[in-house]
Amino acid sequence: DTAVSQTPKYLVTQMGNDKSIKCEQNLGHDTMYWYKQDSKKFLKIMFSYNNKELIINETVPNRFSPKSPDKAHLNLHINSLELGDSAVYFCASSPVGVGSEQYFGPGTRLTVT
Amino acid sequence: GEDVEQSLFLSVREGDSSVINCTYTDSSSTYLYWYKQEPGAGLQLLTYIFSNMDMKQDQRLTVLLNKKDKHLSLRIADTQTGDSAIYFCAESMGSNTGKLIFGQGTTLQVKP
Repeated sequence: DTAVSQTPKYLVTQMGNDKSIKCEQNLGHDTMYWYKQDSKKFLKIMFSYNNKELIINETVPNRFSPKSPDKAHLNLHINSLELGDSAVYFCASSPVGVGSEQYFGPGTRLTVT
Repeated sequence: GEDVEQSLFLSVREGDSSVINCTYTDSSSTYLYWYKQEPGAGLQLLTYIFSNMDMKQDQRLTVLLNKKDKHLSLRIADTQTGDSAIYFCAESMGSNTGKLIFGQGTTLQVKP
């Protein structure tokens, strides 16, 4: 009965490869997010979707492309991986509205070698 | 601008109170949050405060908000070893997008 799940938990890959991270939430929330946490634990929002529509797109390289096939899923595809992409990526979801609690997934640790 | 700052590290003894501080810059923030991250896990919401409140208490947690100074604090009473984690302060940006700006996190170390 996991609320927000991500796969895979760990991902090790080489520079230049393309990879995807999947996220699913079973909370019935309308809004989903992707965050990046760097090695210093700094957490920054990347994207947000509301009911499959992109509503936040921070200054993220266009090698990163989110896709939301339905409101319960938000996947992140990364092309041409670079060393600087190594981080922990967190998916989150929330009901619509300011002040709504965001529920975070367990994270995907991406290591690019 | 969008900026949230926290001190990076706090060490306390078990049973003492912990106070984690945070400053933010956006005066239009409507909600301010405290999240907890345990090792290898995602973030978990601890508590939040609406911007028109000065204080909120929830069991061992007390949140104080000084809106004039844009200062937020989280006090944990009777700190336990299980409270050891990283604590993130975050502000909402007042829009309906749900966007949160996080501080860099304060690592709380609780010594037995």
